[in-house]
Amino acid sequence: DIVMTQSPDSLAVSLGERATINCKSSQTLLHSSIDKNYLAWYQHKPGQPPKLLFYWASTRASGVPDRFSGSGSGTDFSLTIYNLQAEDVAVYYCQQYYTSPWTFGQGTKMEI
Amino acid sequence: EVQLVQSGAEVKKPGESLKISCKGSGFSFANQWIAWVRQMPGKGLEWMGVIFPGDSDTRYSPSFQGRVTISADKSISTAYLQWTSLKASDTAMYYCARPTRGGEPPFDNWGQGTLVTVSS
Repeated sequence: DIVMTQSPDSLAVSLGERATINCKSSQTLLHSSIDKNYLAWYQHKPGQPPKLLFYWASTRASGVPDRFSGSGSGTDFSLTIYNLQAEDVAVYYCQQYYTSPWTFGQGTKMEI
Repeated sequence: EVQLVQSGAEVKKPGESLKISCKGSGFSFANQWIAWVRQMPGKGLEWMGVIFPGDSDTRYSPSFQGRVTISADKSISTAYLQWTSLKASDTAMYYCARPTRGGEPPFDNWGQGTLVTVSS
């Protein structure tokens, strides 16, 4: 199985500041023939189901504010939140879909 | 509007059986895969398996193969997750979700979750 490792496990950032979460995969997620990285990001708030933020590593899902940014390629990826807002408090997960079983990172808890 | 509505919370004893459900609306349920995802208390997300209701084609994560059964009834747009003999370690929140690429992630719509508590 592909192992997804996120860092840090938790992160406290002031309102209005920038937060970056890293995600590293145990093998490449880049499908070179189509030049796409099989990596998604989700936001999971307490009492709610997870919400898709990004797919193909950097394609923003519908309705996601543009202060969220996904980047990276191969084995190293990042989720950056600019101008952090109170409603961004959540656990963030990366997920690879290069190879089944589709695996998630352990999650990063974002706090203010 | 795409919606996945799951059945309510369950409290069971070890050894009991259980079947939880996920009803889809707002899309062609028979022609869309439905996945199940587990979240154990204080832990992360784990993909369990996926089903295509149109023909009941089912794929399981090796971690869950043989431990749960995924099924669907396309006539009522409902997918199921079933246990024959629950264990305390099955205590978790279970989500259904809709993959966007055939049976593969990402998952763009999620049910609200079903909390399963197994305790003697």
